[in-house]
Amino acid sequence: GESVGLHLPTLSVQEGDNSIINCAYSNSASDYFIWYKQESGKGPQFIIDIRSNMDKRQGQRVTVLLNKTVKHLSLQIAATQPGDSAVYFCAENIKDDMRFGAGTRLTVKP
Amino acid sequence: ETGVTQTPRHLVMGMTNKKSLKCEQHLGHNAMYWYKQSAKKPLELMFVYSLEERVENNSVPSRFSPECPNSSHLFLHLHTLQPEDSALYLCASSRSVANYGYTFGSGTRLTVV
Repeated sequence: GESVGLHLPTLSVQEGDNSIINCAYSNSASDYFIWYKQESGKGPQFIIDIRSNMDKRQGQRVTVLLNKTVKHLSLQIAATQPGDSAVYFCAENIKDDMRFGAGTRLTVKP
Repeated sequence: ETGVTQTPRHLVMGMTNKKSLKCEQHLGHNAMYWYKQSAKKPLELMFVYSLEERVENNSVPSRFSPECPNSSHLFLHLHTLQPEDSALYLCASSRSVANYGYTFGSGTRLTVV
């Protein structure tokens, strides 16, 4: 069936490096996407969103890229810090139905 | 704190117990949600309330019973749960059901023994 998924369940990066977390989606009708960060013992926290009429959006140290041709979404974190260690997951909106991916665990090595 | 407060943070209950989870938000949001988060699985939407009216129930077993007495409070009443119901239960709110800027609480970690 159609669902939001992630390419890798875990990602380990060195502090100061850039991180790229990927998300694949299969429903071309999805018109809105969100990235969430979930730290241990906490609920998901909104990071950045993007609408389907855009292909790139930048925030503070984060960039979301949307490639509608291959139905791919990515989150780039610049100069990754220990505080970025968390589970990151994407969500897509299909006709007012939000669907979430399972998440990628990002570990930042000092 | 995100503005959405959930209590208790942790709950252990037997299969014959009755307990309730509480969620409170003072963000002025009109929509509130219950999600279930199991290990290595996507968030599962359970219930949606808009202005205290239930607008969606995603085929959740009747042993889970939601209650929304006002737009700031949401409860999830639990009765005769199964071990597979053990999970993190997350409450979220948003300005409206059409607004996807969800604010999540920290969740209640539920263990059914």
